[in-house]
Amino acid sequence: NAGVTQTPKFRVLKTGQSMTLLCAQDMNHEYMYWYRQDPGMGLRLIHYSVGEGTTAKGEVPDGYNVSRLKKQNFLLGLESAAPSQTSVYFCASNKVRNTGELFFGEGSRLTVL
Amino acid sequence: TQLLEQSPQFLSIQEGENLTVYCNSSSVFSSLQWYRQEPGEGPVLLVTVVTGGEVKKLKRLTFQFGDARKDSSLHITAAQPGDTGLYLCAANRGANFGNEKLTFGTGTRLTIIP
Repeated sequence: NAGVTQTPKFRVLKTGQSMTLLCAQDMNHEYMYWYRQDPGMGLRLIHYSVGEGTTAKGEVPDGYNVSRLKKQNFLLGLESAAPSQTSVYFCASNKVRNTGELFFGEGSRLTVL
Repeated sequence: TQLLEQSPQFLSIQEGENLTVYCNSSSVFSSLQWYRQEPGEGPVLLVTVVTGGEVKKLKRLTFQFGDARKDSSLHITAAQPGDTGLYLCAANRGANFGNEKLTFGTGTRLTIIP
């Protein structure tokens, strides 16, 4: 079972470059989330989606955009990468809005030089 | 403002020892989750507690939710190298709040020395 799959797993960017992280889930979950994890900061929510075609801002949305054109995919875009966006990014999904287990991908490590 | 404080931040103990890690807050939560994250992996849910005073056991792991639902502890008996990882607590402030309102602690990094 694939669960939640993130691509790419590693990426190095130069300041100002753009890129897209792809998250795919095969569990037919309605809710999907993008987090970033930084030392000493815990997991912080960037954007989330409560269903196909919908997106909303989380705690730290600036500098990121997202799209959910298909239920199984949630894309995170960086239009003009900055060194402050160096982080490990995690995608998660779940079936129930306000309770239940979050299923996480393996993470995508992004370095912006 | 960090709503969830986890302690200790780092813990390194010998195989076979017992340990307790904590997740504390000044806020009341409707539910609290514990996750374990291994290097290079995403967090994996261990347990969810929802009732004040609730105790749940998962093999050698015992989880307790504080009576006032402001804090939680995780106790591991006879720790094994396979317990090594980052332990994260996450809490929701209300049953009407979606998971987008979930707050994560900064974690306790546990190392079990064989």
